[in-house]
Order: sequence, then C-alpha cells, then structure tokens
Amino acid sequence: AQKITQTQPGMFVQEKEAVTLDCTYDTSDQSYGLFWYKQPSSGEMIFLIYQGSYDEQNATEGRYSLNFQKARKSANLVISASQLGDSAMYFCAMREGDSNDYKLSFGAGTTVTVRA
Amino acid sequence: DVKVTQSSRYLVKRTGEKVFLECVQDMDHENMFWYRQDPGLGLRLIYFSYDVKMKEKGDIPEGYSVSREKKERFSLILESASTNQTSMYLCASRNSGGGEQFFGPGTRLTVL
Repeated sequence: AQKITQTQPGMFVQEKEAVTLDCTYDTSDQSYGLFWYKQPSSGEMIFLIYQGSYDEQNATEGRYSLNFQKARKSANLVISASQLGDSAMYFCAMREGDSNDYKLSFGAGTTVTVRA
Repeated sequence: DVKVTQSSRYLVKRTGEKVFLECVQDMDHENMFWYRQDPGLGLRLIYFSYDVKMKEKGDIPEGYSVSREKKERFSLILESASTNQTSMYLCASRNSGGGEQFFGPGTRLTVL
C-alpha cells in the first residue's frame, strides 16, 4: 500500500495567491515525521518544512505552512502569496518511527506552475 | 554553505557497462542515501549507509550495489547497466540524530 499519497499531479496558481498541496499518509506508528521538499527544474531537492507527529502546533516556515490533521492522516502544504519562483515539483515524505530511523517514503509529487 | 555533490549531472552509458555514480558531502553526516526518481513514482530508496562501511538495502536494491569507504563519500554501482535503469539518481545525507535529508543535484543516467 502507498504510504504517501499526493492526488494532484499538477496545479496552476495565480501569482500572489495561496495554494494548497494535498498529502495523505498511512502508518500505524505513533511516532513519525512528515516533510515537504521542493524540486525546481534544476533537479535539486530543497527541504521546506517538517512536522513531527507529536507536535501540537502546525509547522510554519515563512510563506510555507503545514496543515496537519492527525485524525485524518493528512499533512497539506500551504504556500501563501505565490511567486513565480515557486514553480516546481513538490514532494511530501514521511519518516516512520523516531528521529533515529533512516527511511523516508515519498509521494509521487505535485507540479505547481505559478502564472503571472 | 553545506553541500552534497554528485560526480555528473548527465551520463550516457551502454547496456552491460559497469557504472559508478559518486556522491560527496561536506557536512560530516553519518547517514547517506541513494534514490532513484521516476515520473509518477516519486523517489524510491535504493540503498543507504548509516556509517562508514555499513550499508542496508532500501526498497529497490536489485541491480545495484554501494560502497562507503570514507565518511564523506558514498558510491552507487550498476554492475551491468540495463535500459530499465535509465533514471534520475539522487544522493542525500543526514545527521544520525535526525532532521532533514540534504540532497545533491542529481545525475540523469541514460542507458542505451
């Protein structure tokens, strides 16, 4: 079974608007971590934001926020005030177990195109 | 500025060739990873190394091997390249205490 599901293959967003990227996950572990990465056309994966399963507050990093709904097993990424440079592929990933565990499971990714 | 570097951005090889992909990190990280990325499949873990000379299979190790003789360097080896190994290969590293993985720029390998 897929551990990470990203149901939106591609999205268009107008510059300066907000966009929400969906991510649902599947795990039976109580301790886990959720990550979002950005991959521009250059290819390098850039870490954006992290949410631990025990964190009570939703994570925020600048224009990025993570809408963490534990009961629904969702970890949606919200990008506010979109910029042209936000055009990229975005991946949701999960680490099961505690922070010493190594493996990340990735979703298939969502391509975001920001229109001027 | 922290860095993960990969030996080539683009590589073209013939079927049956032995292929080496090199990854070097300058962050003194204990953990290193090799992934392949294919459209619609996201990133899949091939192998990882949690310390020098230590390695573990990931989700898709078949057809690959790895070597980690020094802490900063992690090599992925395709013993006999096949066309179904045409893909983007990404290397990453991480501190053993946790946190995010830092990625290199990727190597786009084409096997003809």
